[in-house]
Amino acid sequence: QVQLQESGPGLVKPSQTLSLTCTVSGGAISSGGDYWIWIRQHPGKGLEWIAYMYYSGTNYYNPSLKSRLTVSVATSKNQFSLKLSSVTAADTAMYYCARGRSGSYSAMDVWGQGTTVTVSS
Amino acid sequence: DIQMTQSPSSLSASVGDRVTITCQASQDINNSLNWYQQKPGKAPKLLIYDASNMEIGVPSRFSGSGFGTDFTFTISSLQPDDIATYYCQQYDNLPPTFGGGTKVDIK
Repeated sequence: QVQLQESGPGLVKPSQTLSLTCTVSGGAISSGGDYWIWIRQHPGKGLEWIAYMYYSGTNYYNPSLKSRLTVSVATSKNQFSLKLSSVTAADTAMYYCARGRSGSYSAMDVWGQGTTVTVSS
Repeated sequence: DIQMTQSPSSLSASVGDRVTITCQASQDINNSLNWYQQKPGKAPKLLIYDASNMEIGVPSRFSGSGFGTDFTFTISSLQPDDIATYYCQQYDNLPPTFGGGTKVDIK
């Protein structure tokens, strides 16, 4: 059974770049035609869809974050990553990685536990 | 982006009650809607996909319906384990967007 685990620094200074990694276990990230997705949740708020990566390398970024966002896949490590540049307090959130259900980005059927990121000097 | 409006934002009901949550899309999304349950301190869990299909392992007291712009999520008999926030999510247009959530607790 596929499991996901996010990792990254809990604290990032304003204007710096946030880097997060999601490690996939129980299955190969590059097989099965899966979509790998990042979602965030601001404190006490709803959910915001950030980006997806298809196993072949195709990406889609939320236009609201596109200018600051880079996502990538490291197949040899069975990981995918997110980099968000020029962070501000508005980027403080819980960040989740997830898998798209049945080879689609439409629904997320496996989620990591989430990692909290605080942007503060 | 498509705006998803959920109502109510919170509700309190008794164990055994029927609970209904609505989600309205700002434009026609066909049946491109999912429902998630998020318990405090946990990641969301997919309950319903494609508006009315139950994810494997989800109790049958949960159901979804709707098409176009208006959707409904129902818990037929509220249980203590159902205390959570519920979110709808559309995927008809990119980027996928979520409703604001409905917090459900026990009266």
